Amino acid sequence: GAVVSQHPSWVICKSGTSVKIECRSLDFQATTMFWYRQFPKQSLMLMATSNEGSKATYEQGVEKDKFLINHASLTLSTLTVTSAHPEDSSFYICSAKGGSSYNEQFFGPGTRLTVL
Amino acid sequence: GIQVEQSPPDLILQEGANSTLRCNFSDSVNNLQWFHQNPWGQLINLFYIPSGTKQNGRLSATTVATERYSLLYISSSQTTDSGVYFCAAAMFSGGYNKLIFGAGTRLAVHP
Repeated sequence: GAVVSQHPSWVICKSGTSVKIECRSLDFQATTMFWYRQFPKQSLMLMATSNEGSKATYEQGVEKDKFLINHASLTLSTLTVTSAHPEDSSFYICSAKGGSSYNEQFFGPGTRLTVL
Repeated sequence: GIQVEQSPPDLILQEGANSTLRCNFSDSVNNLQWFHQNPWGQLINLFYIPSGTKQNGRLSATTVATERYSLLYISSSQTTDSGVYFCAAAMFSGGYNKLIFGAGTRLAVHP
């Protein structure tokens, strides 16, 4: 149980375009979903937290107009990187918590974004 | 905010050796988790351990919340144990329990 999927697993896009990443909890209803960013050989940094049906809460320094988060249902959250630039290239990972293991977070496999 | 420190930053082991990874945190926490990040980037949940001791096969973990540290033990290491081990502590902030990650311990197990 507690499986989280992400799609796509990797994406290459041109500078100036927008990219949408999906995060789904497959076998539980996620009360809260989280989006992280990880640069090479570094740790995970929390970008934002979202609950279904409400606006996301962004961490300090994260541009909410650039990283749009939509938490449409208890099993789906999306992150849209708008007007992507090369410095947005990174590994984006989502996590979800809920179900029987209420306080434990489970992570998706990540999405590697490369902006040319 | 809470600080999470892991040691050692790097560890090289011969297959079959045992090791202990440490995680110190600077404040009281609601939750502590250990993860293994495999070479493809997937974080695998090892332990959810806000306090006490748990064991799962060759791995075990102990968290002493009053002294603000957690330990991950790996016994009889295998090459497949290689990767980065993260601990993450949860603090309540802005209405949510947020996980703060340590910098990780990069483990290489050689045959």
